[in-house]
Amino acid sequence: AAGVIQSPRHLIKEKRETATLKCYPIPRHDTVYWYQQGPGQDPQFLISFYEKMQSDKGSIPDRFSAQQFSDYHSELNMSSLELGDSALYFCASSLGQGRQPQHFGDGTRLSIL
Amino acid sequence: GESVGLHLPTLSVQEGDNSIINCAYSNSASDYFIWYKQESGKGPQFIIDIRSNMDKRQGQRVTVLLNKTVKHLSLQIAATQPGDSAVYFCAENFLGSYIPTFGRGTSLIVHP
Repeated sequence: AAGVIQSPRHLIKEKRETATLKCYPIPRHDTVYWYQQGPGQDPQFLISFYEKMQSDKGSIPDRFSAQQFSDYHSELNMSSLELGDSALYFCASSLGQGRQPQHFGDGTRLSIL
Repeated sequence: GESVGLHLPTLSVQEGDNSIINCAYSNSASDYFIWYKQESGKGPQFIIDIRSNMDKRQGQRVTVLLNKTVKHLSLQIAATQPGDSAVYFCAENFLGSYIPTFGRGTSLIVHP
């Protein structure tokens, strides 16, 4: 079965640069979530979209923005990157926003030098 | 690469044993709970879920128990296999929220 696809899998940037992470949800899924996970940490919710509209906002820095496009894929744009932004970034998708599990991609490992 | 299990509570078991992973959740108003398994270098993978109107749910080799009185959730894995080695997270959905809050993970190590 098709899963959530994230690209790139690995990304190396320098401080103050920008980065764009992409997420392609499971076909027919209309809801996308972004999480950040530091080493040994649990995933921290950043932001979510339902039917191309922002639905919930978590601990996403003002330097980051995201959107969901007409084909339901989503992009997380990160600017003025800091060393502390080094982490795994996961995207998850679900069909609707009901009481159901989210399906996660395998993440993008972002390293800031 | 870095281990997701770094600095996490660890449970070590022998292959074939039963494993029990515990989770204390935070909000008495939470009405939906999920267990995820995360292998190194991969995203969390859904294992099993349970709603607050239930106290037990079984899947294939896994059972989730919910004790709302003490806000405790557990995941039981029967006949643990080396492939079960991973970090396990519980997550709770507060009433009215679509966003799960993850608990601290537990690293399960299964010895052959």
